[in-house]
Amino acid sequence: DTAVSQTPKYLVTQMGNDKSIKCEQNLGHDTMYWYKQDSKKFLKIMFSYNNKELIINETVPNRFSPKSPDKAHLNLHINSLELGDSAVYFCASSQMTSGAMQQFFGPGTRLTVL
Amino acid sequence: AQKVTQAQTEISVVEKEDVTLDCVYETRDTTYYLFWYKQPPSGELVFLIRRNSFDEQNEISGRYSWNFQKSTSSFNFTITASQVVDSAVYFCALSEGSGNTGKLIFGQGTTLQVKP
Repeated sequence: DTAVSQTPKYLVTQMGNDKSIKCEQNLGHDTMYWYKQDSKKFLKIMFSYNNKELIINETVPNRFSPKSPDKAHLNLHINSLELGDSAVYFCASSQMTSGAMQQFFGPGTRLTVL
Repeated sequence: AQKVTQAQTEISVVEKEDVTLDCVYETRDTTYYLFWYKQPPSGELVFLIRRNSFDEQNEISGRYSWNFQKSTSSFNFTITASQVVDSAVYFCALSEGSGNTGKLIFGQGTTLQVKP
């Protein structure tokens, strides 16, 4: 029973293409996140949705567009891919209470832009 | 501004040695949460511990222990009698209480190599 799943696990594509990464959680959580891990392993928040509403939008190029069709899904669409977008993208979920709770992470999607 | 610093980029020890991973944080909030995550070579992120700013008690879980000191803004992690399976990248992270977004701010990570 996978708690947070992402597809695809690997994505290799050419510069200029548009691609999507999907994320689903079956934990019943109300908040989902996208993080980017660069080649130096640095992890940085990109977006977060709480009950389908965008609550975090860090300084990310507007080529990146998250979409949350329901509480259990948060997809990431990237337009006009650039070399610098190559990274591992992690989806995570948590239950928002009165304080920050443990985030459960997906296995990651390794995006390579050629 | 919030920030997490893990000054040790890489640590190499021999199996059975004890090792401490340092984490120093900055925040203006009085309510905040600190986390440690492990990223083994397989790449997934594994939750280890969560601590809120009002709970300064140290915690021990098997060979793992955590020392939270608000006076020095540190939340250090010690592995006792290290094992090869402990080899991984370890991340310390901070989440501020204000805004209640749950956003995690990660440190740069410390790569721990445990040699047999």
